[in-house]
Amino acid sequence: GAGVSQSPRYKVAKRGQDVALRCDPISGHVSLFWYQQALGQGPEFLTYFQNEAQLDKSGLPSDRFFAERPEGSVSTLKIQRTQQEDSAVYLCASSSHKPGQGAKRSSYNEQFFGPGTRLTVL
Amino acid sequence: AQSVTQLDSHVSVSEGTPVLLRCNYSSSYSPSLFWYVQHPNKGLQLLLKYTSAATLVKGINGFEAEFKKSETSFHLTKPSAHMSDAAEYFCVVRGVSGGYNKLIFGAGTRLAVHP
Repeated sequence: GAGVSQSPRYKVAKRGQDVALRCDPISGHVSLFWYQQALGQGPEFLTYFQNEAQLDKSGLPSDRFFAERPEGSVSTLKIQRTQQEDSAVYLCASSSHKPGQGAKRSSYNEQFFGPGTRLTVL
Repeated sequence: AQSVTQLDSHVSVSEGTPVLLRCNYSSSYSPSLFWYVQHPNKGLQLLLKYTSAATLVKGINGFEAEFKKSETSFHLTKPSAHMSDAAEYFCVVRGVSGGYNKLIFGAGTRLAVHP
């Protein structure tokens, strides 16, 4: 079956431009996560959706970053007025997590990752 | 707060020799720990997970990891390296907040396998 897909795979933007990155999760997955992976680093959490509700956006680095998932499936991460420090790989992951189960250690629902979008800001 | 530290940024082994990738964790309670692998131009893939069952966890492709609470370690091992094992490996701890699974990644260890 189809996994998580992301588009575009590569994006080059001039400093100050706005960009939009798309994530198509696995069909039926309730949870969707965005991570940012800087060069030579591990991914860092940005934001989390449960269906269309954005329940955690504590990892978004500034108010230039905005994410949405209006119909509870496809999600878009938007970065306004891009800066050079925004250059990174942006990863999307989805899981079949259902509300109320996440706190149980044994009930981990695997997060399936997309291939990422590599953003380069010149 | 939870965190993981990967002790080696690069590991190089010869094909057919053992692999050891080291990870220490910090957690205020008994953690859920994972190893993910990232091949170039591919998505992160779950290798194995520890969620308080057996302390020796077996994963895919012959990898395994042992949870040692006394040493706060979760090292990844494989008896015999294969060329296809060359990739970036991440030790990950689950941060449980608000009832969902937020993952906290280490900085990664790049594994090189030489003929």
